[in-house]
Amino acid sequence: SQQGEEDPQALSIQEGENATMNCSYKTSINNLQWYRQNSGRGLVHLILIRSNEREKHSGRLRVTLDTSKKSSSLLITASRAADTASYFCATESSNYKLTFGKGTLLTVNP
Amino acid sequence: ETGVTQSPTHLIKTRGQQVTLRCSSQSGHNTVSWYQQALGQGPQFIFQYYREEENGRGNFPPRFSGLQFPNYSSELNVNALELDDSALYLCASSGILAKNIQYFGAGTRLSVL
Repeated sequence: SQQGEEDPQALSIQEGENATMNCSYKTSINNLQWYRQNSGRGLVHLILIRSNEREKHSGRLRVTLDTSKKSSSLLITASRAADTASYFCATESSNYKLTFGKGTLLTVNP
Repeated sequence: ETGVTQSPTHLIKTRGQQVTLRCSSQSGHNTVSWYQQALGQGPQFIFQYYREEENGRGNFPPRFSGLQFPNYSSELNVNALELDDSALYLCASSGILAKNIQYFGAGTRLSVL
């Protein structure tokens, strides 16, 4: 079963614009992670935010976490065509098991 | 490149057959997890192995089984294949220092006809 639900399901923007994706989840978590997947290949870890953190930055990525609303957002600033991919949030609640959402397909047009 | 390799990359089987997928973990990683990703969906957790023992299982029937070897490589076995088993199967390894972060292989795409 899916724990997280990403919103929107698909997002199309122009190069240089910012992209924001949201994730909602249902149960309490230890941490929340964002992964990227290119064209049905393996997933690449982007960033991890712990349940006691509210915001985290990594390069052009900014992640927020609101545990009271059980939601997170991923912001990609100054997007590039190479950012085109599917983005998944994944929650970890126990035993390092990850529960993924259905993902957001981001298309960045040159 | 994550250092996690999976084989084969593609596989075609018929309903009722058995299949074995293989994964070589990143050096130094002692935990491996397997995920099934259907088309257009997120990965779903199948099970995890830690030091050759199953360390958690998702909502998959017993015909999905696994092994982890002393060198931390791993196998996923699926018996009595069904059409719905068609998916991308992903292996992910994690290490002692950062157990939360999983490093994924490129996956094996299984088609069941």
